[in-house]
Amino acid sequence: QVQLKESGPGLVQPSQTLSLTCTVSGFSLMDYSVHWVRQPPGKGLEWMGRMKYDGDTYYNSALKSRLSISRDTSKSQVFLKMNSLQTEDTAIYYCTRVPDNNYPFDYWGQGVMVTVSS
Amino acid sequence: DIQMTQSPSSMSVSLGDRVTITCRASQDIGNYLSWYQQKPEKSPKLMIYGATNLEDGVPSRFSGSRSGSDYSLTINSLESEDTGIYFCLQHKQYPRTFGGGTKLELK
Repeated sequence: QVQLKESGPGLVQPSQTLSLTCTVSGFSLMDYSVHWVRQPPGKGLEWMGRMKYDGDTYYNSALKSRLSISRDTSKSQVFLKMNSLQTEDTAIYYCTRVPDNNYPFDYWGQGVMVTVSS
Repeated sequence: DIQMTQSPSSMSVSLGDRVTITCRASQDIGNYLSWYQQKPEKSPKLMIYGATNLEDGVPSRFSGSRSGSDYSLTINSLESEDTGIYFCLQHKQYPRTFGGGTKLELK
């Protein structure tokens, strides 16, 4: 069945770089896009960016200067890297699946909590 | 960016109630509007897509509608398992944007 699972460090120091991995199963990264979404504690959801099935990336302009999304299709993994982390980047980070452009997120990972603190 | 204004932010409801939650889009998004349910410690679940289409496996007491730039999620005859947070998502344009969420609790 379709599964997405985020992994990465739970704690990151301010000014450091966050690296997260989304490992998927039950579908191919060459057929579906993967998006990253985050949710700070007690706040709303923020769309971060996406890796399209053809390898194209697109980022939220608010994060573009700090964010990079890449993938390894052979390992069914999508990677998120974001630098210069600050306390306001503390959030649950989700990866989600999208069947095609202008479709909604049909499956979500369980999420990974990332705390930015010294 | 398209702003999605969701109301109410919370509701205290009784079993059997009819519940309506609304999202208003700041720009035209057509029917590119979806609704999600999120339970504590769980990832969101797609309930409605294309503004009015019920996702497979979602109970028929859930429905979606559109009136201009207002999009509504209605739950007919609320059941205890329907508590949680509901939010909308517009997927017409980048950046994708979400409503602020509605927390549904039992009285």
